[in-house]
Amino acid sequence: LAKITQPISMDSYEGQEVNITCSHNNIATNDYITWYQQFPSQGPRFIIQGYKTKVTNEVASLFIPADRKSSTLSLPRVSLSDTAVYYCLVARNTNAGKSTFGDGTTLTVKP
Amino acid sequence: IAGITQAPTSQILAAGRRMTLRCTQDMRHNAMYWYRQDLGLGLRLIHYSNTAGTTGKGEVPDGYSVSRANTDDFPLTLASAVPSQTSVYFCASSRDRDSPLHFGNGTRLTVT
Repeated sequence: LAKITQPISMDSYEGQEVNITCSHNNIATNDYITWYQQFPSQGPRFIIQGYKTKVTNEVASLFIPADRKSSTLSLPRVSLSDTAVYYCLVARNTNAGKSTFGDGTTLTVKP
Repeated sequence: IAGITQAPTSQILAAGRRMTLRCTQDMRHNAMYWYRQDLGLGLRLIHYSNTAGTTGKGEVPDGYSVSRANTDDFPLTLASAVPSQTSVYFCASSRDRDSPLHFGNGTRLTVT
């Protein structure tokens, strides 16, 4: 299983772009990367998923370099409501049991 | 509203007691999962099920058992609770093994 490292915390201000990087040096060929957002007393919520290069949806972008040993979640123009914990998940598409979450990054958005 | 229902929301349990955490999904997802979340340790996979009738062990399966008799339900049982099982337990489901996870709102369990 991939060992995952994320920054423990980050601060930002409203309107700024935030980039959170996840390191997964021993990612396997069949592993894909997913990011989740979690608010207090709630379960994590899906943000974005990718395998390589760049993926974009209505709320975020995910950048994955060619070696796939890291990935960066980009949140454009954050607001106070984006204050949450963000988790990186590396999982194998051939085995649901082969998955590892990072320990999470607490993002605090200030006015 | 479609989603995952977990019960109970919270529970205080005496050590040595047996406890079953319930999880039901109405999305007809094939795969289901149980995670525990401890402060500073993120989410760790306890058990999973790729499809009804099959189960597998995750990262921290000791002291827990699961069953998947049908598509919708995936109960987690603690046969004899110990204080180290104090945690928040999340049930999740996904359409397939490589689809995004949908999580319930968790069960906060305290073993005294």
